[in-house]
Amino acid sequence: AQSVTQLGSHVSVSEGALVLLRCNYSSSVPPYLFWYVQYPNQGLQLLLKYTSAATLVKGINGFEAEFKKSETSFHLTKPSAHMSDAAEYFCAVSDHNAGNMLTFGGGTRLMVKP
Amino acid sequence: DAGVIQSPRHEVTEMGQEVTLRCKPISGHNSLFWYRQTMMRGLELLIYFNNNVPIDDSGMPEDRFSAKMPNASFSTLKIQPSEPRDSAVYFCASSSNYEQYFGPGTRLTVT
Repeated sequence: AQSVTQLGSHVSVSEGALVLLRCNYSSSVPPYLFWYVQYPNQGLQLLLKYTSAATLVKGINGFEAEFKKSETSFHLTKPSAHMSDAAEYFCAVSDHNAGNMLTFGGGTRLMVKP
Repeated sequence: DAGVIQSPRHEVTEMGQEVTLRCKPISGHNSLFWYRQTMMRGLELLIYFNNNVPIDDSGMPEDRFSAKMPNASFSTLKIQPSEPRDSAVYFCASSSNYEQYFGPGTRLTVT
């Protein structure tokens, strides 16, 4: 069965600082991996996805993530945080045995200090 | 495309009443998911459908919850009778090729 672990339920950075949100997964088959962002009072929006092409994936709003098979990781980064990046971020892994189902991590709330 | 549409956006009801949440998925998507989100339990998958057929409802908390998908463009999640602990934000998502697209959610408050 697939599982996702997001280390750190809360991360705080200063505006302009590097953002690093950690995601580790377990999967019995090569996975598809996703990062979603949820702004207050909104649904989840897709930030980026890995589907077995390039291991470094670029998404919206300057975010990117690197798939590292040896570390079973898919960490999300952004070089310089902006106040508007404050939100909750979810990592997810596909379950190829269950249609289009995704297994989500517990989420990481990113806070950006001025 | 209008995206996933959910209605109502907000629902306030009294304990014991029936609540029906509605979802219109993105046209052409063959999978539909219902999630519940609370501060305490985070994001929980309640049930999902493939090609209008319920595949896994193991996340439905109890028999008070039921979901239907009578056709490819409409699904409902019903709670009868509702209880205060059902208060949460309920999301519908539709999917094609694993990418899930979420609706704006229905914020349910049961008093």
